[in-house]
Amino acid sequence: GAVVSQHPSRVICKSGTSVKIECRSLDFQATTMFWYRQFPKQSLMLMATSNEGSKATYEQGVEKDKFLINHASLTLSTLTVTSAHPEDSSFYICSARAPGLAGGPQETQYFGPGTRLLVL
Amino acid sequence: GQNIDQPTEMTATEGAIVQINCTYQTSGFNGLFWYQQHAGEAPTFLSYNVLDGLEEKGRFSSFLSRSKGYSYLLLKELQMKDSASYLCAPMDSNYQLIWGAGTKLIIKP
Repeated sequence: GAVVSQHPSRVICKSGTSVKIECRSLDFQATTMFWYRQFPKQSLMLMATSNEGSKATYEQGVEKDKFLINHASLTLSTLTVTSAHPEDSSFYICSARAPGLAGGPQETQYFGPGTRLLVL
Repeated sequence: GQNIDQPTEMTATEGAIVQINCTYQTSGFNGLFWYQQHAGEAPTFLSYNVLDGLEEKGRFSSFLSRSKGYSYLLLKELQMKDSASYLCAPMDSNYQLIWGAGTKLIIKP
């Protein structure tokens, strides 16, 4: 149980275009999903918390108009990087909060495999 | 403020035991998680402690002392595949995980 998928796993795009990344919880319902960004050899940086049916909560310094988050269902959240620039190239990872799963603690975050974005 | 302190890098020998220490300060506390992250991959869940003491799970054990703001991850019978970064992540009062840079563990034959 507690499988999270992400699509695409890797994307290369031209500067100025938009890229959508999907995050799905495959075998559980996730009312809360998180979007992280990680640059090489650096720690995970939380970008935003996505709650199903409501607006995402963005961390300080993250532009909400640039990183659009939609959490339309209990199993899907999407992150759209609008007008991408080379400095947006990074590893984007989503996680889903999975409360009370058998065999695991409450409030565990399970991660998707990540999406590597390269903006040329 | 909230912060995590772990060694940046550790080296150990295949078959040996290694202990990765973590001290933390958070606003409130709802348990502490350890994750493993191989280079280029997303983190995977290893363990969770919310009460003081040792939790053992196969070759991996995790210890917590809430009064000291201290945890460690113990890896036994090290294998080459254990080479990875190990992330200590306490959960604060808002159920947010607080992330540090992790400890890069290098296993040598």
